[in-house]
Amino acid sequence: AQSVTQLDSQVPVFEEAPVELRCNYSSSVSVYLFWYVQYPNQGLQLLLKYLSGSTLVKSINGFEAEFNKSQTSFHLRKPSVHISDTAEYFCAVMDNNDMRFGAGTRLTVKP
Amino acid sequence: DARVTQTPRHKVTEMGQEVTMRCQPILGHNTVFWYRQTMMQGLELLAYFRNRAPLDDSGMPKDRFSAEMPDATLATLKIQPSEPRDSAVYFCASGLGTGAYEQYFGPGTRLTVT
Repeated sequence: AQSVTQLDSQVPVFEEAPVELRCNYSSSVSVYLFWYVQYPNQGLQLLLKYLSGSTLVKSINGFEAEFNKSQTSFHLRKPSVHISDTAEYFCAVMDNNDMRFGAGTRLTVKP
Repeated sequence: DARVTQTPRHKVTEMGQEVTMRCQPILGHNTVFWYRQTMMQGLELLAYFRNRAPLDDSGMPKDRFSAEMPDATLATLKIQPSEPRDSAVYFCASGLGTGAYEQYFGPGTRLTVT
């Protein structure tokens, strides 16, 4: 069975600074990879996903993530964050129709 | 705009009372998940269904929790009797259940047991 590790539980960063949220997974088979975002008092919503093809995937609000098979990682990055990016971010892995979420990383963007 | 709906959005109850949370998955989705989220434990998978059949409920305390899908448009999660440690936000999510499907989350039910 797969597992997901988000290495940082909290990431504080100043506005307009770059950020990287780390995610590593373990699985014995091919996987699909997702990042979800949860804004305060809301449910999770999909931010971006990797299914196949290009290993670099992007969201509409400037986030991107790169699938690295050799390092079994799917780190999320943004070159310049906004206050509105403050949220909790969850990495998720799916194989054999079974999806598992990481523990989440709380991103706090400070002015 | 298809969405997962959950009722009630908030519930405050006394210890020992029965609590029922309801979820309406997105029409056409055949996989439904129940999650619990707390500050201490984070997001925990309680149970999930595919085509209304329970596939995994290993995350659910069996003595007091039960999850059902009476039909394809309704999933329920019951706690009887409720305890203060059950206080959490309970999320329902649905998905197509095949291939690389994403899960669509409802807004959650915030449960407080006093």
